[in-house]
Amino acid sequence: EAGVAQSPRYKIIEKRQSVAFWCNPISGHATLYWYQQILGQGPKLLIQFQNNGVVDDSQLPKDRFSAERLKGVDSTLKIQPAKLEDSAVYLCASSLASREYEQYFGPGTRLTVT
Amino acid sequence: AQKVTQAQTEISVVEKEDVTLDCVYETRDTTYYLFWYKQPPSGELVFLIRRNSFDEQNEISGRYSWNFQKSTSSFNFTITASQVVDSAVYFCALSVPPSGTYKYIFGTGTRLKVLA
Repeated sequence: EAGVAQSPRYKIIEKRQSVAFWCNPISGHATLYWYQQILGQGPKLLIQFQNNGVVDDSQLPKDRFSAERLKGVDSTLKIQPAKLEDSAVYLCASSLASREYEQYFGPGTRLTVT
Repeated sequence: AQKVTQAQTEISVVEKEDVTLDCVYETRDTTYYLFWYKQPPSGELVFLIRRNSFDEQNEISGRYSWNFQKSTSSFNFTITASQVVDSAVYFCALSVPPSGTYKYIFGTGTRLKVLA
């Protein structure tokens, strides 16, 4: 069974530029999550989707971050414009709707903002 | 407010030693879930275990064991006879699903280095 796929794995941009990350969850997983993991910290949930609907985006900085999951499968997370403090690993995870306690994580995208 | 504390930032052990990773959590809810995840150098978070607040039985899985004590709000993780492949960052997480969604609150992680 293929795992959660993310791309790109690494990205370096200058502040005020825009960037987008892509995630393809495990087939059949209705729930998709985006986390931000700053160096030395645990992951922090940014947004959670159930199919193509947003369940929780309370910690998403909506002035610069946006995410979508239009067809209820893959998802994109965008930052526009990026700030230095956005440097982090962005992790995507997915789970079955009936087993949300068991999240499967992708390898992450490491973003460096200079 | 919910919080997870992993006071050990980094632990180094020699292969075959036993090691315990500490996790202390805070929540006022009576229903909650606790998790341990492993993050190897590749970056992915690997699910290890889930415990709900009503199940205080300790669990053993091979060389891994978990000790859940509600009286001290702790959920500690022990690796017996550690191996180099155990080297990783380990995260403890808490989830309180009042509305049925599982939002994880992670600790800051403990980096385990197992030396050959």
